[in-house]
Amino acid sequence: EIVMTQSPVTLSVSPGERATFSCRASQSVGSDLAWYQQKPGQAPRLLIFGASSRATSIPARFSGTGSGTEFTLTISSLESEDFAVYFCQQYHDWPRAFGQGTKVEIK
Amino acid sequence: AQLVESGGGLVQPGGSLKLSCVASGFPFNSYALHWVRQAPGKGLDYISGISSNGGTRYHADPVKDRFSISRDDSKNTLFLQMDSLRLEDTAMYFCARDQRTYSYGYVALDLWGQGTMVTVSS
Repeated sequence: EIVMTQSPVTLSVSPGERATFSCRASQSVGSDLAWYQQKPGQAPRLLIFGASSRATSIPARFSGTGSGTEFTLTISSLESEDFAVYFCQQYHDWPRAFGQGTKVEIK
Repeated sequence: AQLVESGGGLVQPGGSLKLSCVASGFPFNSYALHWVRQAPGKGLDYISGISSNGGTRYHADPVKDRFSISRDDSKNTLFLQMDSLRLEDTAMYFCARDQRTYSYGYVALDLWGQGTMVTVSS
């Protein structure tokens, strides 16, 4: 079973700043990696698939990189609506494991 | 396109519950579908998936032999039958759709419902 580990658990960032956080897989998942954003009381929203492709209507300030076991999500300039929890998920093997999440909070 | 879950509620340990997820706005029988749950204040846990034709199903170890995923394409509805419920099954249950048709889970999840809450308590 593939285990996904995200870091840091919490990231404090000021609006307008850059935010970068990581996701590591316990074994290679190729590029079968997605990122989701979740706000309180809402369902997750797909941001990135295939490790680096933005989903429909996702702003260009969101970008994903990586392959194999190391992945990164970058928000180039944080806006107020970006403060949320971000989860990575691998879909290379079963179960489709999620990371534990990174909370991006206002500094 | 939309997914709407229902059927959650309060149930005693050892009890049963059947969740439903009604889809609209897309060709239901072309997509694999999944259940993902989230305990209060915790992360996302993938629990079950079913292929577009219903012939292939997956259940994660924590729910295997207790939960069963199914679908009724004539009603555009996904189900999750939950038996022998435990305290640790308390969570918000989301249904979600594969990003592409006929892909059975080897893609991201691009459409999610708002969830239905299941509380297991005596």
